[in-house]
Amino acid sequence: GQQLNQSPQSMFIQEGEDVSMNCTSSSIFNTWLWYKQDPGEGPVLLIALYKAGELTSNGRLTAQFGITRKDSFLNISASIPSDVGIYFCAGLRSGSARQLTFGSGTQLTVLP
Amino acid sequence: NAGVTQTPKFQVLKTGQSMTLQCAQDMNHNSMYWYRQDPGMGLRLIYYSASEGTTDKGEVPNGYNVSRLNKREFSLRLESAAPSQTSVYFCASSESGARQPQHFGDGTRLSIL
Repeated sequence: GQQLNQSPQSMFIQEGEDVSMNCTSSSIFNTWLWYKQDPGEGPVLLIALYKAGELTSNGRLTAQFGITRKDSFLNISASIPSDVGIYFCAGLRSGSARQLTFGSGTQLTVLP
Repeated sequence: NAGVTQTPKFQVLKTGQSMTLQCAQDMNHNSMYWYRQDPGMGLRLIYYSASEGTTDKGEVPNGYNVSRLNKREFSLRLESAAPSQTSVYFCASSESGARQPQHFGDGTRLSIL
């Protein structure tokens, strides 16, 4: 299947810092998604992006659909301890769920 | 709590054994999915069901079968388990028109010896 390169693989930050992570691909996607997974739980959908250039916020989280349609970015402002978890990007090439590809995740640790 | 419920939460099998992973959602969603998650990798789609009575193969369907019993339930069966199927399995659901899984269960951690 298509590959998504998600970076960084892991991050250690101080509480209160801002965080940025991104996802890139050699293929064009029509939809970009960001999920968060807490330990022992399933992923939770955070943000969905449907148009190139789109910038969408969900509380302290902001995600952008890259103009080239080959990348997406997630920013978390003023991090707090409960932001700890694995963040996954996912890209959809067409209208079929079979075309949804997940990145390998960014493990975020927030230090007090 | 409303959502996606998976059973069992943990299971250990011997190679060659069979078992069925159960999934049920109470949100009246049409679409349901089965994913597997392996260390260091993103989720990979095994099968999905766009509506009751329909199922389609995903990226990694070999060694699995599914059954969409009704609108609420979508089960995943391993007929003859292999060590390569050791993984965490997630069921998910979404509303009609949504092209991505919206709600996930908490997973089934399956080890095959």
